Amino acid sequence: DVKVTQSSRYLVKRTGEKVFLECVQDMDHENMFWYRQDPGLGLRLIYFSYDVKMKEKGDIPEGYSVSREKKERFSLILESASTNQTSMYLCASSLSGTSGSYEQYFGPGTRLTVT
Amino acid sequence: TQLLEQSPQFLSIQEGENLTVYCNSSSVFSSLQWYRQEPGEGPVLLVTVVTGGEVKKLKRLTFQFGDARKDSSLHITAAQPGDTGLYLCAGGGRETSGSRLTFGEGTQLTVNP
Repeated sequence: DVKVTQSSRYLVKRTGEKVFLECVQDMDHENMFWYRQDPGLGLRLIYFSYDVKMKEKGDIPEGYSVSREKKERFSLILESASTNQTSMYLCASSLSGTSGSYEQYFGPGTRLTVT
Repeated sequence: TQLLEQSPQFLSIQEGENLTVYCNSSSVFSSLQWYRQEPGEGPVLLVTVVTGGEVKKLKRLTFQFGDARKDSSLHITAAQPGDTGLYLCAGGGRETSGSRLTFGEGTQLTVNP
């Protein structure tokens, strides 16, 4: 079974703090993704990575950065947290698109509150 | 513009009833996934359909991919309270999207005992 883990289930941070969210997958997947999920807005892609040290912007990258130094680990960084970044953050992984499979496997999510 | 339209957005039914959720698009997808998400958890993959017209069954859940690979449906027979959750459809392999998935906004299903 694919396992995707996220470093925290719940986080409370103050405005202006730097926040690190970490995600680890154990299935040797090439692709990793960070989403945020908000009521009424669905899942929105922040960033994704298709290889170590490679990254691409998703639909809402502003205010976020990412790091992928190892294949199994993908970090999301909020450089200076703001209240509008309060959300549920979901990490996912998948095989390379050349495999023909687009199935993504999700972690349990991190509920981030910025006060 | 929402590329994958799910309907209905909300559905509240009694235990034992049947229901169908729809996922429609004007785009063609190579595959379509259905996920279920419970409150406070990440989405869990239920099924992937890849062939136009394909039908897959998972116990009381029946998934169908449209012939033109632009739409899909999820039918639940004799719903149970344990079926309660957010159901998401997601399409993959769209020409301009690479490995990204296009997600619908979800259908929130509540099955009352």
